[in-house]
Amino acid sequence: AQTVTQSQPEMSVQEAETVTLSCTYDTSESDYYLFWYKQPPSRQMILVIRQEAYKQQNATENRFSVNFQKAAKSFSLKISDSQLGDAAMYFCAYRRTTGANSKLTFGKGITLSVRP
Amino acid sequence: DAMVIQNPRYQVTQFGKPVTLSCSQTLNHNVMYWYQQKSSQAPKLLFHYYDKDFNNEADTPDNFQSRRPNTSFCFLDIRSPGLGDAAMYLCATSQGVGIYNEQFFGPGTRLTVL
Repeated sequence: AQTVTQSQPEMSVQEAETVTLSCTYDTSESDYYLFWYKQPPSRQMILVIRQEAYKQQNATENRFSVNFQKAAKSFSLKISDSQLGDAAMYFCAYRRTTGANSKLTFGKGITLSVRP
Repeated sequence: DAMVIQNPRYQVTQFGKPVTLSCSQTLNHNVMYWYQQKSSQAPKLLFHYYDKDFNNEADTPDNFQSRRPNTSFCFLDIRSPGLGDAAMYLCATSQGVGIYNEQFFGPGTRLTVL
């Protein structure tokens, strides 16, 4: 079974600084997707960024980028130029590509606070 | 705006008293999901509907059931809530079940069991 581990329950960053959120996962599959989701307080969870395992190039979406290390099964999220609106819970998630009903497996999440 | 709506946002029920949570969507997506998110834990998939086809996760308790009367609405029924069922319940939708189909989440319903 696949597992996703986010070992840091909380992190804090100064506004305009850079922060990296860690995630590791375990799988025997070779092809899969990894995701970072953002869940602001009392608001819906939204997709921040996704990475396809067969792509070596790290995904980037504006201020958000990932460091995907397939051999190490590590998938960290870097947030550059942190803004107050980045304060939220962030979930790392895994989904295998095979199987019509493959499901998202989430980590426990990390609460990010941004200091003004 | 097209979106996933969950009502109510906060629900309080008594131990053993049946409760129904509601989800609606304006995205016209084929798939609707229900997740349970307990405090400090990962969201856990309970079941999903692909159109009218119901797919239950193997470890979802029998106490949890779902109905999807039409494309837009999906309900989560908890027949006899226990204290351990207190959680945030998230509804999500996607166009299909394939890997390229992004899931869109609602804001969740926080269930308290007294």
